[in-house]
Amino acid sequence: AQRVTQPEKLLSVFKGAPVELKCNYSYSGSPELFWYVQYSRQRLQLLLRHISRESIKGFTADLNKGETSFHLKKPFAQEEDSAMYYCAQVSETSGSRLTFGEGTQLTVNP
Amino acid sequence: NAGVTQTPKFRVLKTGQSMTLLCAQDMNHEYMYWYRQDPGMGLRLIHYSVGEGTTAKGEVPDGYNVSRLKKQNFLLGLESAAPSQTSVYFCASEAASGGLPYEQYFGPGTRLTVT
Repeated sequence: AQRVTQPEKLLSVFKGAPVELKCNYSYSGSPELFWYVQYSRQRLQLLLRHISRESIKGFTADLNKGETSFHLKKPFAQEEDSAMYYCAQVSETSGSRLTFGEGTQLTVNP
Repeated sequence: NAGVTQTPKFRVLKTGQSMTLLCAQDMNHEYMYWYRQDPGMGLRLIHYSVGEGTTAKGEVPDGYNVSRLKKQNFLLGLESAAPSQTSVYFCASEAASGGLPYEQYFGPGTRLTVT
């Protein structure tokens, strides 16, 4: 079965430190991958998609097909980055659109 | 625009009771989804709809039913609630065209407890 795996449920870093949230996928072809974020008391929202090759709020994510990974990175974490982050992949099966990972709760300490 | 709204925000049910969760969106989106969010399990798709009058099963459909009689509304029903259905339920919508594909807009969630 198709899976998106985020091995870290909790991740804690200090302000100004680099942060990397890991995501591994199981798609056999050319995947479409996304990062969604849920800040405290806010709704889940799209952060970035790999196809855009964009940097949002200082975050980037590179698709590594050899390692089947799509890790989210930021060189200098800020306290406002504290949130729940979900990696998601377009489902290979018809219709179900997105398969989400288990989520990583990031805490950036002052 | 209110975006995606969910009713109610909180609910406590006894085992065996039934209830309906309402999701409404004012963005004229074709696609709508119901997810449940459980600790350590992420978001799991319950049911979804690709247009008015259509519904389909997602990853964890058992114990739930849905209806999409109007384009803007997507209802999730629990006919006989079980403690395993204690969860936070999220509704989402997505434009079929004109917007970025796979950008889903989420509601604020409904926290359901079944005792």
